[in-house]
Amino acid sequence: AQSVTQPDIHITVSEGASLELRCNYSYGATPYLFWYVQSPGQGLQLLLKYFSGDTLVQGIKGFEAEFKRSQSSFNLRKPSVHWSDAAEYFCAVAGTASKLTFGTGTRLQVTL
Amino acid sequence: NAGVTQTPKFRILKIGQSMTLQCTQDMNHNYMYWYRQDPGMGLKLIYYSVGAGITDKGEVPNGYNVSRSTTEDFPLRLELAAPSQTSVYFCAIKTGPTGELFFGEGSRLTVL
Repeated sequence: AQSVTQPDIHITVSEGASLELRCNYSYGATPYLFWYVQSPGQGLQLLLKYFSGDTLVQGIKGFEAEFKRSQSSFNLRKPSVHWSDAAEYFCAVAGTASKLTFGTGTRLQVTL
Repeated sequence: NAGVTQTPKFRILKIGQSMTLQCTQDMNHNYMYWYRQDPGMGLKLIYYSVGAGITDKGEVPNGYNVSRSTTEDFPLRLELAAPSQTSVYFCAIKTGPTGELFFGEGSRLTVL
């Protein structure tokens, strides 16, 4: 069965600093990988996805992620964080019937 | 989150009561999902459906039931509510061939 690990429960960065959120997955075949963001009291919004091709994928809000098969990783990055990026971020891998398995999330706090 | 409507948004139940969480989509997609979200646990799949008349269990189905009589509706029923079912419930639809899900805004349920 597939699994996703997000090793960082909580991360604090200063506004304007760069960000990297870690995600490791376990899946037998070529994975379909996703990053979602959740603001407090809201649903989940898709940031970006990887399913094939270029291992560096671009998403919304200036986020990008790099798929590294050798490391089973799909880390999310942003060059310069804005205060509005404070939220919880979830990495997920798709299994059969597109059932997503989520990591436990990383809460991002942005200091001004 | 236009396209997926969940009702109610908030509900308090007493132990042993039953209720149905409603999920309706107007995007004519076949695949629908119910997840629950608990703090620090990410999202766990309860049930899913690949089309009208077809449902299957996810990771945490105990204490829940679903039906899918139409493409639009995918209600989740809680029988004999227990405090362990206190959670935020999200309904989602699969919107693309690469498995990305579109989520509703969630239903917050408290069982006392």
